[in-house]
Parts: sequence; structure tokens; C-alpha cells
Amino acid sequence: DGGITQSPKYLFRKEGQNVTLSCEQNLNHDAMYWYRQDPGQGLRLIYYSQIVNDFQKGDIAEGYSVSREKKESFPLTVTSAQKNPTAFYLCASSVRDRLNTEAFFGQGTRLTVV
Amino acid sequence: EDKVVQSPLSLVVHEGDTVTLNCSYEVTNFRSLLWYKQEKKAPTFLFMLTSSGIEKKSGRLSSILDKKELFSILNITATQTGDSAIYLCAVSRKYGVYGNKLVFGAGTILRVKS
Repeated sequence: DGGITQSPKYLFRKEGQNVTLSCEQNLNHDAMYWYRQDPGQGLRLIYYSQIVNDFQKGDIAEGYSVSREKKESFPLTVTSAQKNPTAFYLCASSVRDRLNTEAFFGQGTRLTVV
Repeated sequence: EDKVVQSPLSLVVHEGDTVTLNCSYEVTNFRSLLWYKQEKKAPTFLFMLTSSGIEKKSGRLSSILDKKELFSILNITATQTGDSAIYLCAVSRKYGVYGNKLVFGAGTILRVKS
């Protein structure tokens, strides 16, 4: 079955630690996105990538880093520089097409700083 | 700056009621407007709208776009408890030649009481 897989579903981090959230898709999509969701704030864009080896900062990129070495994979690292990392993180992908703009989402990773 | 504003932020209705959710936007290089339903984790796709005045319908849900007024509504008739969810509005804007960037609103939290 084609889809987007995020892991882990739940992640606990101690303050000062870096953690990496995994996102893998087998939909053959060129574009991939990372969003952060806080209560009452909808989805905010962290980073996005339209093609392998290229990515752009979204609206709240500070304290995060990404890589896009393979088409299928777009991991997100939450660094110790991110002041308030506790949130729900969603990865999405879409075709890179002006007519087909729908994004498909993974099940999310809930990150808690302890 | 791209902006997507949803209203109301939350809504409580009784089963059988009809609800209207609103989404206004200010986005350059508009491509489409999308509605998603989020129950527990991953948002699921409802509608994609690209043309003004053409209603899209799926069962008890319908949506329409007004590109002149930069506005969309999502209607749900004869609501059921299973409609309880966060409803997200997103606008896809052009990025690069073929790419898209999705900008989300804060969402409307709908609770349907039995």
C-alpha cells in the first residue's frame, strides 16, 4: 500500500538533546513538507522540499534542520536551539504539479520534552 | 505575507443541525483551496477547489469557492457525532515552476453533541 510513514509515533526528549523524526513515502512524490501543530494554531510550515537535495525554510524553521538525500525520505531534526519543541509534527507529500495540489499526510509524531 | 483565516475557531452543535465553516485567504499566486478533516492524527482530504462558483459535494458535505471575494465555505448538513473533528482550510500557492506550497488556517474545532 502506498502512503507516508512517520516514526516514532511518540517521542520524549530531554532538554538540550537533538532528536530526529523520520518521514518516508512510497508515493513517488517529489514534494515533501514538515508541519508543526499546536493546540488552536492549525498547521505551521517548518520546512519543505520540492526536489531531492533541495529544501526551503517555512515560516518557523528556527531550531529545526532537514535533509533530502533521497526522494522517499525527508527527516526532520529538532535541535536544542528550538525553545519550545513540544508539539505534534506532521509530514506530508504531494506531486510537484500545478494542477494536482493535494497533500497526503502521515500519522504524525507527538514530541514531548521532559 | 500569505494568510488563511478560518472562522469560527470552535463550534458546538446538536446532531441534525447544519453548520457552515468559513475560510478567507490572502495568498499570492493562488492555485487551489483545500479542505481537510482531522480527527485524531493525520488530516484527511475532503475537497479541492480551483474555480469560483462551482459547488463540490460529497454526501452531506459541500464546499464552494469565491475567488473574487477570496473566500470559501464548507457546509455540513444533518450533522452526526462522527463529524466531530478539526476542519482545516489550506491554500496552495505556486512555488517555482511546478511546485506548490500549502498554507494552512488555524482550523475550526467542531463538536457535535448527541
